[in-house]
Amino acid sequence: AQSVTQPDIHITVSEGASLELRCNYSYGATPYLFWYVQSPGQGLQLLLKYFSGDTLVQGIKGFEAEFKRSQSSFNLRKPSVHWSDAAEYFCAVGSTGTASKLTFGTGTRLQVML
Amino acid sequence: DADVTQTPRNRITKTGKRIMLECSQTKGHDRMYWYRQDPGLGLRLIYYSFDVKDINKGEISDGYSVSRQAQAKFSLSLESAIPNQTALYFCATSDSLAVGGRDTQYFGPGTRLTVL
Repeated sequence: AQSVTQPDIHITVSEGASLELRCNYSYGATPYLFWYVQSPGQGLQLLLKYFSGDTLVQGIKGFEAEFKRSQSSFNLRKPSVHWSDAAEYFCAVGSTGTASKLTFGTGTRLQVML
Repeated sequence: DADVTQTPRNRITKTGKRIMLECSQTKGHDRMYWYRQDPGLGLRLIYYSFDVKDINKGEISDGYSVSRQAQAKFSLSLESAIPNQTALYFCATSDSLAVGGRDTQYFGPGTRLTVL
């Protein structure tokens, strides 16, 4: 069975600092990987996704993620965080062949200090 | 995503009451999903439907039922609500025609349900 681990429940960074949110997955084949963001009181918005090809994926709002098969990781990064990035971030994995069956991590809450 | 709407957005109900949460989408997607979100647990799949005649249980379907009234509408019912069903509920949609099964799920704004 596939699974996702987000080791950091809560992260605090200063505005303008760089950010890396960790995501580790467990899946036997090449997974489909996603990052979603949930702003307070909002639904989930897709930040980026990986299906195949280039392992460095660019997303919206200046985010990127890198798929590392050897480490079973798909960490999310941003070079300079803005106060509006404060939100909860979810990593999810889908099975090859159908991305429809998603398994989500437990989320990382990002706090941004001004 | 404004293409996926959920009603109501907030609901408070009492133990034992029947309640229905509704989801509508204008994205033209054939696949629809219901998740619940609990603090510290992420999102867990309740039910999913790959078309109007195809409905499947997810990992936590006990105590819930669903109805796919049309391609664009997918409702979640709690036949007899209990306090541990207090949660944030999300509907999502995706498109089976995405190449190679690489469909992406798009989420509604959520319904916050409180069962007293």
